[in-house]
Amino acid sequence: AQSVAQPEDQVNVAEGNPLTVKCTYSVSGNPYLFWYVQYPNRGLQFLLKYITGDNLVKGSYGFEAEFNKSQTSFHLKKPSALVSDSALYFCALTNAGKSTFGDGTTLTVKP
Amino acid sequence: DAGVIQSPRHEVTEMGQEVTLRCKPISGHNSLFWYRQTMMRGLELLIYFNNNVPIDDSGMPEDRFSAKMPNASFSTLKIQPSEPRDSAVYFCASSLVSGNTGELFFGEGSRLTVL
Repeated sequence: AQSVAQPEDQVNVAEGNPLTVKCTYSVSGNPYLFWYVQYPNRGLQFLLKYITGDNLVKGSYGFEAEFNKSQTSFHLKKPSALVSDSALYFCALTNAGKSTFGDGTTLTVKP
Repeated sequence: DAGVIQSPRHEVTEMGQEVTLRCKPISGHNSLFWYRQTMMRGLELLIYFNNNVPIDDSGMPEDRFSAKMPNASFSTLKIQPSEPRDSAVYFCASSLVSGNTGELFFGEGSRLTVL
């Protein structure tokens, strides 16, 4: 069985500060990990993915994520948060062609 | 590119009525997924298709739910009869590649309210 956990329901940061949204996973076999963002009343949008190779993955809108196999984590990061980054973020794990999503983390960036 | 197109965006119906949700995937994408999103249960995969063939429908809640993909450019999710607990946002997503490496492209969702 595969699973994804996002331990924080909510993350609050000040504009300009670095942000981290946490994700841990469990899977037998190779992990294929994704981050998506959802704005209110919209569908999910792809940010970045880890398939293989470099543990630091860069994606859209200045986001990046660090894959850590020993800690089974795939945390989303951004060096300097913007108010417009406020949204719901989902970590996902794909196995056997199916994506399993975490419960989501609401990111609030305050001016 | 028009993206994944879902209709209707909003549907309000009464318990017992039939509901049909529609999806047009991105042209050239060969995998299509139906998800349901609720506050209580988060995002749940209902069913997915590869090359128009249903691969895994283990997430379909019960026999009241059915999905079809008659061709590469169209899919439907039907609920008959609908119940209040079916109220949710239903998302369709498509992917260029089957397997584990392709990201999903989501539609804007169909918000269903069953009274």
